Amino acid sequence: KQEVTQIPAALSVPEGENLVLNCSFTDSAIYNLQWFRQDPGKGLTSLLLIQSSQREQTSGRLNASLDKSSGRSTLYIAASQPGDSATYLCAVRPNSGYALNFGKGTSLLVTP
Amino acid sequence: GAVVSQHPSWVICKSGTSVKIECRSLDFQATTMFWYRQFPKQSLMLMATSNEGSKATYEQGVEKDKFLINHASLTLSTLTVTSAHPEDSSFYICSARALDSRGDNEQFFGPGTRLTVL
Repeated sequence: KQEVTQIPAALSVPEGENLVLNCSFTDSAIYNLQWFRQDPGKGLTSLLLIQSSQREQTSGRLNASLDKSSGRSTLYIAASQPGDSATYLCAVRPNSGYALNFGKGTSLLVTP
Repeated sequence: GAVVSQHPSWVICKSGTSVKIECRSLDFQATTMFWYRQFPKQSLMLMATSNEGSKATYEQGVEKDKFLINHASLTLSTLTVTSAHPEDSSFYICSARALDSRGDNEQFFGPGTRLTVL
């Protein structure tokens, strides 16, 4: 059974810092990996999707990398802003099927 | 873009009543819809997978007689929580897999429904 772990569970940084969120998964037979943002009491916003054949994806200040063989992904946020405060979820889709396996998320607080 | 809506966005009900939650794909047809549940500070857990016109497939530990899923069309799936109890209080999120080529890669998520059972 696929287990997805996110470290740290919570993170507080001052505005302007660069930061890294980590995601690990136990079964490397994945189709793709996706990073989401979730604001309190809200649904999910897709940030980046990395196919299993890709190493990284970038969107603005966000960069996600994938090392499938070691079961790891990182989300790099450059020049953090208070508006980045949210919970960030990592989810993997297995080769078989379409349902996603989610981590518990990293709760990020960026202070002014 | 691909938009998925959920209704209601929040609901409060008394213990023992039934609650229906709708998930609609607004601008695309969805071959498959997924229902997830999220408890506070926890990850999203898949409850069931529903395909249009067929019975839903439930994950282990999810009672199919308690969580009734109907997927009557390519744009609508409903989740009915029957005889709700306080332990059913949670955030329910649906997602939809598009019938077109976008469905090969990703799902589109609804905004979620907050259920509180008193």
